[in-house]
Amino acid sequence: GQQVMQIPQYQHVQEGEDFTTYCNSSTTLSNIQWYKQRPGGHPVFLIQLVKSGEVKKQKRLTFQFGEAKKNSSLHITATQTTDVGTYFCALRRGGAQKLVFGQGTRLTINP
Amino acid sequence: KAGVTQTPRYLIKTRGQQVTLSCSPISGHRSVSWYQQTPGQGLQFLFEYFSETQRNKGNFPGRFSGRQFSNSRSEMNVSTLELGDSALYLCASSLEGEGVGELFFGEGSRLTVL
Repeated sequence: GQQVMQIPQYQHVQEGEDFTTYCNSSTTLSNIQWYKQRPGGHPVFLIQLVKSGEVKKQKRLTFQFGEAKKNSSLHITATQTTDVGTYFCALRRGGAQKLVFGQGTRLTINP
Repeated sequence: KAGVTQTPRYLIKTRGQQVTLSCSPISGHRSVSWYQQTPGQGLQFLFEYFSETQRNKGNFPGRFSGRQFSNSRSEMNVSTLELGDSALYLCASSLEGEGVGELFFGEGSRLTVL
């Protein structure tokens, strides 16, 4: 089956520090999506990346799709307490319908 | 526009019982997917329905089943509950289907099996 590895599993930072989570696939991807789940909440869509080498920004969040379309990263600059939550990548291999979610990276922040 | 609605939000069952969870997707969305979320296993795909047809199925035993109605509302059923079925069950709807566009998740139904 499709292997998805998301690292790290946990990350604790001081407010104002940067944060990065990585998602790696064993197979070439059709696209990748990122979701954020606040504590006690439900996953909320952040972005979808489709093109090789694509970089997209949303304010302090930067999303990258690898050149080989096998990995992706989410980088948050100068974290704020509102960034607390678990960040999931979700992968779709070409031709496959269903999404496969990574295990998530749980971000906690010391104010 | 109303979001994805899941009922009930919380429920407690005992082993051996069965449970039915309901999901009303966003108006106009024809695809409904179900996920099981546990601390140890993360988000596990159960199945996806599109226009009343099951289009994809995850690796769960036959005790887990679902269906979709003509108005796109969906239900999932778990029979002969086991302790390990305790989880947050999330429903997600989308316009076209999984992996094509973004998923809109409901708040979830938290099931506790005693």
